[in-house]
Amino acid sequence: DVKVTQSSRYLVKRTGEKVFLECVQDMDHENMFWYRQDPGLGLRLIYFSYDVKMKEKGDIPEGYSVSREKKERFSLILESASTNQTSMYLCASSQSGVKLFFGSGTQLSVL
Amino acid sequence: GEDVEQSLFLSVREGDSSVINCTYTDSSSTYLYWYKQEPGAGLQLLTYIFSNMDMKQDQRLTVLLNKKDKHLSLRIADTQTGDSAIYFCAESIADNFNKFYFGSGTKLNVKP
Repeated sequence: DVKVTQSSRYLVKRTGEKVFLECVQDMDHENMFWYRQDPGLGLRLIYFSYDVKMKEKGDIPEGYSVSREKKERFSLILESASTNQTSMYLCASSQSGVKLFFGSGTQLSVL
Repeated sequence: GEDVEQSLFLSVREGDSSVINCTYTDSSSTYLYWYKQEPGAGLQLLTYIFSNMDMKQDQRLTVLLNKKDKHLSLRIADTQTGDSAIYFCAESIADNFNKFYFGSGTKLNVKP
């Protein structure tokens, strides 16, 4: 089975802090994604990557950046965390864009 | 992104059938999906259907696709309390295979 691992299940940070969310997949998938999930809004795509060092903006990239130095790892960076970035963050990966496999999520609270 | 819409809540009794509905707007969808999210967990792929199919059945799950009306449904037969979760409808678009568009999720509550 595909495994997508997010390094933290819960994170609490202060406004203005730099925050790193890490995601690792073990199936050599080319495509990796970061979503945020908010009640009533479903999943919104922040960034995705289709290859090492390649990245594309999703629907809500403002306030975020990403890094993909190795194929298996995709990091989401909040340069200066704000309270409106309190959310559940979900990482996913896919091969050939057919099926998405998700990690268990990181619940981030920004105080 | 594309519009994928679902009702927010559904409540059924244990043993009844549940039907969760979804509408989407992009006629160039390639695949349509149903994901399940249990409390505090990520999304788990339940089933998916290729856009040129009308129906797919997998044990207690039946997916129906009406491409003309852009309507997708998930029927869960003999619903159990363990089926309580949020169910997300999603589509992938033919001209952008890397993007998936999700609905807001339907929270299914199964009463014993």
